[in-house]
Amino acid sequence: AQRVTQPEKLLSVFKGAPVELKCNYSYSGSPELFWYVQYSRQRLQLLLRHISRESIKGFTADLNKGETSFHLKKPFAQEEDSAMYYCALLQGAQKLVFGQGTRLTINP
Amino acid sequence: GAGVSQSPSNKVTEKGKDVELRCDPISGHTALYWYRQSLGQGLEFLIYFQGNSAPDKSGLPSDRFSAERTGGSVSTLTIQRTQQEDSAVYLCASSLVTSGPSYNEQFFGPGTRLTVL
Repeated sequence: AQRVTQPEKLLSVFKGAPVELKCNYSYSGSPELFWYVQYSRQRLQLLLRHISRESIKGFTADLNKGETSFHLKKPFAQEEDSAMYYCALLQGAQKLVFGQGTRLTINP
Repeated sequence: GAGVSQSPSNKVTEKGKDVELRCDPISGHTALYWYRQSLGQGLEFLIYFQGNSAPDKSGLPSDRFSAERTGGSVSTLTIQRTQQEDSAVYLCASSLVTSGPSYNEQFFGPGTRLTVL
């Protein structure tokens, strides 16, 4: 079964420290993966997708097929990065399978 | 113009009552999705519409849940005989769907927070 696992429900780091949000997936085939973010009192929105290989707001994520991972990283965390982060796997052409989410808190 | 809208923003109901949640997608978006966001469960896919038809209803948790879409636009998610475990935030999203297999970004609404007492 296709599944996305985010092992950390909560993650807290200090401002300026590196941050890594973990995501592992199970999928038979060539996966297409995404990170979505939900800031306080805002809508869920797309942060980045692996095929675009972009860096958004300083975040990057590399697909590692050997480890079936798609961890989200940022070298220097900022307070405005505090949010709920969801990793998602595309199933079929349109359906997204989400992980349980990680609440990231950046301490000043 | 505006993004995806949902109504009501909050709904409190008593166990056993029926509720209807509404979603207005972005104009021109042919695909519409319903998800449920609950504590401990993350985001769960419920149903997907392409136009007025629902090719994927696999996420509906029971036959108490149903959804329809009319005119290729507004969608209504109906929960009959609500139970306390139905309490969650119900999110709607819409996207363009062009021909071909490529993914089109889903844009989410603000959600409806349902509380079943």
